[in-house]
Amino acid sequence: SQQGEEDPQALSIQEGENATMNCSYKTSINNLQWYRQNSGRGLVHLILIRSNEREKHSGRLRVTLDTSKKSSSLLITASRAADTASYFCATATTGGGNKLTFGTGTQLKVEL
Amino acid sequence: DAGITQSPRHKVTETGTPVTLRCHQTENHRYMYWYRQDPGHGLRLIHYSYGVKDTDKGEVSDGYSVSRSKTEDFLLTLESATSSQTSVYFCAISEDPQPLHFGNGTRLTVT
Repeated sequence: SQQGEEDPQALSIQEGENATMNCSYKTSINNLQWYRQNSGRGLVHLILIRSNEREKHSGRLRVTLDTSKKSSSLLITASRAADTASYFCATATTGGGNKLTFGTGTQLKVEL
Repeated sequence: DAGITQSPRHKVTETGTPVTLRCHQTENHRYMYWYRQDPGHGLRLIHYSYGVKDTDKGEVSDGYSVSRSKTEDFLLTLESATSSQTSVYFCAISEDPQPLHFGNGTRLTVT
């Protein structure tokens, strides 16, 4: 079963708008990560947030983590057409060793 | 792509035949992983390695075996391919052990 579930499954916005994606997970985590996948390519790491952190920024990305609700959100501000991709959350669970468990992803389309 | 090469990039094979996919890295990273990606399932871990000759099973390891005789190479073998193993296979590497750096995938079709 999936540890992480993203919501929504698909999102379509206009260039310049903000995009918000959510991830829920089931068990205690050491950290949560977000990855981007462009069509036909491998995943690219975007940002990592540890279980003792609540918010993290990287450029136009803002990630929040609420361990009490077992959820995280990824906000992309001022989106661009180049942000069109699938976005996945992945969790490293407590006691899970070095393994990451990925969610099913959100497909983001940014239209001109 | 963090010095990761997957080969082949595409393969079509028949049910019952053995298939080996190769992942080669030039980063000297300790950890290597094989994932499969299917619609509706995201990425699922097949096997991973935490050093030469040190491997462990992931979530969907049945029907797959792996070997790592050198730091730079991690092989995934399907002993007898089945149609359910039609998928896109991704290799990933890491040092710390996260974050992961992914190759561009191998698209495998089993007919």
